[in-house]
Amino acid sequence: EAGVTQSPTHLIKTRGQQVTLRCSPISGHTSVYWYQQALGLGLQFLLWYDEGEERNRGNFPPRFSGRQFPNYSSELNVNALELEDSALYLCASVRRGSSGELFFGEGSRLTVL
Amino acid sequence: GNSVTQMEGPVTLSEEAFLTINCTYTATGYPSLFWYVQYPGEGLQLLLKATKADDKGSNKGFEATYRKETTSFHLEKGSVQVSDSAVYFCALQERAGTALIFGKGTTLSVSS
Repeated sequence: EAGVTQSPTHLIKTRGQQVTLRCSPISGHTSVYWYQQALGLGLQFLLWYDEGEERNRGNFPPRFSGRQFPNYSSELNVNALELEDSALYLCASVRRGSSGELFFGEGSRLTVL
Repeated sequence: GNSVTQMEGPVTLSEEAFLTINCTYTATGYPSLFWYVQYPGEGLQLLLKATKADDKGSNKGFEATYRKETTSFHLEKGSVQVSDSAVYFCALQERAGTALIFGKGTTLSVSS
């Protein structure tokens, strides 16, 4: 069974640019979570999608947004990039209603210069 | 709001030493508690979990007990190996399906 896949694995952007990160969940998983892992800050919850709907978002500005497609894959968009957006962005998926075992991808490492 | 606090690292141990990584939480209600591990170059993976008070989660020689009275979920292992070197994250989930809230992570380094 294929795991959670994310793309791209690494990317470099400059301040003010926009970026789109992609996530394919495990087959049969309908919920997708996005987390930001910045140095020294641990994992910060960004967004939660379930059945195509945004269910919750963390304490991030509106320039962080995303969507979930009918096949349950998901995109995370970040507009007007700032230096502090440099981080590893992790996607995780879970079967709807299951308790806690999130399956994580290896992440997309974003560097903003 | 809900939060998780874990001991700052890095934790440096010799092989076969005893490991404790402290984790305390703040939550309304009765959350589920988790330990996730991130090995070098790999994604996070679930290590163990406990869903109610006094439950003990265990896996790969690691254990943690859900202590409601002290709001804690400390991770322990009796004899660590070099291969246990990783970053360990404590997390809580308020109810099934909601996002996990993670601590900042504790880096463990085990030398032979």
